[in-house]
Amino acid sequence: KAGVTQTPRYLIKTRGQQVTLSCSPISGHRSVSWYQQTPGQGLQFLFEYFSETQRNKGNFPGRFSGRQFSNSRSEMNVSTLELGDSALYLCASSLEVGQGAAEAFFGQGTRLTVV
Amino acid sequence: ELKVEQNPLFLSMQEGKNYTIYCNYSTTSDRLYWYRQDPGKSLESLFVLLSNGAVKQEGRLMASLDTKARLSTLHITAAVHDLSATYFCAVYDNFGNEKLTFGTGTRLTIIP
Repeated sequence: KAGVTQTPRYLIKTRGQQVTLSCSPISGHRSVSWYQQTPGQGLQFLFEYFSETQRNKGNFPGRFSGRQFSNSRSEMNVSTLELGDSALYLCASSLEVGQGAAEAFFGQGTRLTVV
Repeated sequence: ELKVEQNPLFLSMQEGKNYTIYCNYSTTSDRLYWYRQDPGKSLESLFVLLSNGAVKQEGRLMASLDTKARLSTLHITAAVHDLSATYFCAVYDNFGNEKLTFGTGTRLTIIP
């Protein structure tokens, strides 16, 4: 079955702009999480959605937001981009946490470069 | 707040040797995951450990979990070049926070 699909794979944006990233989870998975990966901070949790509801949020400023649609696809948005937002953004999908293994499967990521 | 520490951060080893990567975490958890990441790539799931004493093996890699010690290990046996990658452990806590907290990662380089 198809894996987690993230689009676009690469983005170059200018400071002050905004960006929207998309994630389509594995069919049947209703939980979608987003992570930011940078060389300095490692992998950091952004937020998690389940059935269109944000259930958890990491320690990121309000410029980072997300949403989930009824088909479980998710988008994250970053407004007023800063140079420090340059990172690999990873999306993961899983069955509901608390239901068995809840193994998270990751997409290929979106490499965002802010110039 | 849950903290996850891995050591070593960097590991360079010769082919054919054995070594162990350690993952310590700070709060109660019985759900621990190991991932592999190749340069510029995403995370590949290796092992899911769900109970105290769990042991999983795949090829030259074996992972174990000791929930009482809050410790997981990833053991590499007779390393081969293809195992060169960065390895992460990740933990859900037991308090209903549905987010994975990742360790710092161990960059493993296998030298011929």
